[in-house]
Amino acid sequence: GQQVMQIPQYQHVQEGEDFTTYCNSSTTLSNIQWYKQRPGGHPVFLIQLVKSGEVKKQKRLTFQFGEAKKNSSLHITATQTTDVGTYFCAGQGAGNMLTFGGGTRLMVKP
Amino acid sequence: DTAVSQTPKYLVTQMGNDKSIKCEQNLGHDTMYWYKQDSKKFLKIMFSYNNKELIINETVPNRFSPKSPDKAHLNLHINSLELGDSAVYFCASSQRGQRPNEQYFGPGTRLTVT
Repeated sequence: GQQVMQIPQYQHVQEGEDFTTYCNSSTTLSNIQWYKQRPGGHPVFLIQLVKSGEVKKQKRLTFQFGEAKKNSSLHITATQTTDVGTYFCAGQGAGNMLTFGGGTRLMVKP
Repeated sequence: DTAVSQTPKYLVTQMGNDKSIKCEQNLGHDTMYWYKQDSKKFLKIMFSYNNKELIINETVPNRFSPKSPDKAHLNLHINSLELGDSAVYFCASSQRGQRPNEQYFGPGTRLTVT
């Protein structure tokens, strides 16, 4: 079945440093979604990427979808303490089901 | 207004018991899901359900069964609870054909089996 791998599992950064998490799927995806889960909270949708090579920005967050539609990345510029949480990528194949990556837990030291 | 709600928020029970978790969405979505999140934060899809089709993740034990009284509700029933069932269970919903077809998650139910 479809597998989605995400690295790193954990990342500690100093406030102001940049952060990147990477996502790789074993199969070609129709789209990839990114979610953020704050400690003690539930996953909240951030963005969906559909097109090959697509790049989208949300303020300090930059999302990329690979040319082959099998990998993706999320880059945060100049992290803030409010960025703390676990970032998940989720790949969607042919159906409605999402396969989530293992998540990257981001910790930011003030 | 809460978009996706779950009850209870916490559930502590003993091995062997049967329990249910309720989920309701007021978004008018046609598809609902159940996820299990273990202690390592892995989010695993258990079921996807709309009014025509139930898709079951083949790794889910048949002690788990979704029950949908109507389009806005998808409850999760668990028989003969085991220690390994301890986790946070999230309900989610989405609308097919919508762009983006994001999933809206409920607040989660933390299940502890002793």
